[in-house]
Amino acid sequence: DVKVTQSSRYLVKRTGEKVFLECVQDMDHENMFWYRQDPGLGLRLIYFSYDVKMKEKGDIPEGYSVSREKKERFSLILESASTNQTSMYLCASSLLTGNHYGYTFGSGTRLTVV
Amino acid sequence: KNEVEQSPQNLTAQEGEFITINCSYSVGISALHWLQQHPGGGIVSLFMLSSGKKKHGRLIATINIQEKHSSLHITASHPRDSAVYICAGSGGNQFYFGTGTSLTVIP
Repeated sequence: DVKVTQSSRYLVKRTGEKVFLECVQDMDHENMFWYRQDPGLGLRLIYFSYDVKMKEKGDIPEGYSVSREKKERFSLILESASTNQTSMYLCASSLLTGNHYGYTFGSGTRLTVV
Repeated sequence: KNEVEQSPQNLTAQEGEFITINCSYSVGISALHWLQQHPGGGIVSLFMLSSGKKKHGRLIATINIQEKHSSLHITASHPRDSAVYICAGSGGNQFYFGTGTSLTVIP
């Protein structure tokens, strides 16, 4: 089974801190994604990456950056955490299979910024 | 307006009931996904379908491409089915998510 592992289930950080959320997948997937999930808003795409060192902005990239130095690892960085970034963060990876994408999510990181 | 709309937003059912969650989409997609998220947990992919119907245990997913509509059915519901069910459409490298249906099954 494909596994997408997020390094922390729960994190509490202070306003202004630099925060790193790590995601690792073990099936050589090209595509990796970072989403945040908020009540009533569903899942919103922050950034995605098609390959090593490649990144594309999603719908809500402001206040975030990403890093993909190795194919299996996709990091989400909050340069200066703010309370409105308190949320559940979900990483996903996918492999193009024909016209469709096999898509696997991590377990999520619940981040609280105080 | 969201590209993917789900209904209902919240659903409470008695154990054993037949449950239907609906999903309509307004964009071109190549596949429709049903995802499940238990409270505090990650997201699991239940189905990915582009036509017809798929069945896995007590779960059935259908899609009508012409009507741009999909349904997720749960037969003989059980309290462990309590979760948020999310419909999502994928096309190219885009994913369009519904806001989810929160299901509670009461014993």
